[in-house]
Amino acid sequence: GQQVMQIPQYQHVQEGEDFTTYCNSSTTLSNIQWYKQRPGGHPVFLIQLVKSGEVKKQKRLTFQFGEAKKNSSLHITATQTTDVGTYFCAGPWNNNDMRFGAGTRLTVKP
Amino acid sequence: DGGITQSPKYLFRKEGQNVTLSCEQNLNHDAMYWYRQDPGQGLRLIYYSQIVNDFQKGDIAEGYSVSREKKESFPLTVTSAQKNPTAFYLCASSLRGHGYTFGSGTRLTVV
Repeated sequence: GQQVMQIPQYQHVQEGEDFTTYCNSSTTLSNIQWYKQRPGGHPVFLIQLVKSGEVKKQKRLTFQFGEAKKNSSLHITATQTTDVGTYFCAGPWNNNDMRFGAGTRLTVKP
Repeated sequence: DGGITQSPKYLFRKEGQNVTLSCEQNLNHDAMYWYRQDPGQGLRLIYYSQIVNDFQKGDIAEGYSVSREKKESFPLTVTSAQKNPTAFYLCASSLRGHGYTFGSGTRLTVV
């Protein structure tokens, strides 16, 4: 089974609205990674968080790693149609191979 | 340009056939991985390899086999023992502790 749980499964927003997806683990993670997969495409690495309480920004995207290193979030401010896709979090399991959450599928209405 | 190449992009398999999916990378990454993605689902790990001539089973290895004879190559064979092979197969590579680089995937369909 999956070691990381992601919610929500789907999110539909109006262009310009904000969007957040959450990732939770039952165990402490040494790091967490985020990926984006466009429809019909392959996952693309966005960022890795390592430190407790870490916050990183990439333009309109804000990534957070919880203090206990068991949860993480990705927040997009003022969504655009180019943000459409599925966002996955991933946490390391044995030997650093990553286990992926089920993903949050974002659709944006122009 | 460095990257990871999967071929073919689309593959059709008859019942009872074995098929091999190719994955080649020129990123000099030590680790390589195979994931399976079903429609609307996440990625499930099939096999991974941290070094040449060594590989480990992931969560859904039954019905699949791999080899890692060269650092650049990590082919996946979908055997006839895999009862539901229709899926999107993704190969990835990475340096230890870094993000994964994915190939563009192979869509396998049983006909």
